[in-house]
Amino acid sequence: DADVTQTPRNRITKTGKRIMLECSQTKGHDRMYWYRQDPGLGLRLIYYSFDVKDINKGEISDGYSVSRQAQAKFSLSLESAIPNQTALYFCATSPRQGSYGYTFGSGTRLTVV
Amino acid sequence: KNQVEQSPQSLIILEGKNCTLQCNYTVSPFSNLRWYKQDTGRGPVSLTIMTFSENTKSNGRYTATLDADTKQSSLHITASQLSDSASYICVVSAGTNAGKSTFGDGTTLTVKP
Repeated sequence: DADVTQTPRNRITKTGKRIMLECSQTKGHDRMYWYRQDPGLGLRLIYYSFDVKDINKGEISDGYSVSRQAQAKFSLSLESAIPNQTALYFCATSPRQGSYGYTFGSGTRLTVV
Repeated sequence: KNQVEQSPQSLIILEGKNCTLQCNYTVSPFSNLRWYKQDTGRGPVSLTIMTFSENTKSNGRYTATLDADTKQSSLHITASQLSDSASYICVVSAGTNAGKSTFGDGTTLTVKP
């Protein structure tokens, strides 16, 4: 099983719909992140959580919300999807010790029509 | 503002040749620098992690260098293979706060037979 699992892998949704992307991890890491990647561009941070009770906005949080249901689960919601939220979304984890890198999930390809 | 700039944006080489990718950063205070490989449509996978005191780190045919004085890093790929075709991302973290990592936009490498 993958260390960081994202569901769904692909999703097509209509403008205005609410959608949730889910992420679960078996790494035992405290920290979890949601990133967005657009074609030809780098990853941009949407939200991050250093533990269950600590959630922080990233650089592009508008239009998104998150929930850290447990140490192992971190979900991303689009309350009312719009076409420019079409992108590849990645969940990542890292341990509390900052000198270690991220473990990324395989991504969710979201298309808003 | 913390920034990470990678060059070139894209690169095409023949199988078996060597290549070097560059990463310049202005992140402060520096904590660590990581190189990731991202295959198309997949999540990034860590190649190397270097802290301030490390100048060189290897992972098979991948060798990363770090010059903390000039704030430059390079990733050298030896004897390239078709499977090396991917995007290579440089990520620099400030302090011990992984939530403050800054991602470069990546270099897209294409290895042709």
